Amino acid sequence: DARVTQTPRHKVTEMGQEVTMRCQPILGHNTVFWYRQTMMQGLELLAYFRNRAPLDDSGMPKDRFSAEMPDATLATLKIQPSEPRDSAVYFCASGRSGSTDTQYFGPGTRLTVL
Amino acid sequence: GEDVEQSLFLSVREGDSSVINCTYTDSSSTYLYWYKQEPGAGLQLLTYIFSNMDMKQDQRLTVLLNKKDKHLSLRIADTQTGDSAIYFCACSNDYKLSFGAGTTVTVRA
Repeated sequence: DARVTQTPRHKVTEMGQEVTMRCQPILGHNTVFWYRQTMMQGLELLAYFRNRAPLDDSGMPKDRFSAEMPDATLATLKIQPSEPRDSAVYFCASGRSGSTDTQYFGPGTRLTVL
Repeated sequence: GEDVEQSLFLSVREGDSSVINCTYTDSSSTYLYWYKQEPGAGLQLLTYIFSNMDMKQDQRLTVLLNKKDKHLSLRIADTQTGDSAIYFCACSNDYKLSFGAGTTVTVRA
């Protein structure tokens, strides 16, 4: 049963610390998405990769957030320095371009910045 | 960007049918989706419909699409307690999905 995996599932950190979240897309998928979910804003698209290339990161605060795909099996989202307003659940999703645009979501990383 | 609207809450009695409604603005959406989110979990794809269809049935789920009115609905037959969750409507535009705010469905005994 192929699934998107994310680590860590929960992260509590202090303001100013660096946070790195990891995602393993479903094998064979060539698109990766990072979302942030909060009660106030709902689901927000942060970044989109296709074939490991970043195609859209317009939803991401550029000064502190960065997203990369070092290889086809790993996507990372980094926040440095973290702030309390970054507290949210961060989801990774993967899919296959050229098909139904369907995205398959991971379980999320719940981030709390104190 | 794309606007997707959903009602926020729905309460339904166990065994009854649930109908969750969604409206959207972008008529060029190719696919429209329903996702389910249970507490502490990610979004689970329930079903999707291609924009040139007007209905799709999958076991207890029926999706209706009225493209003229830009209205999408999800009907869950014989609603069970395990159906309690947040349901998100989403529309595709190129590679992006635009999500509604989610409808919280509560199933009461």
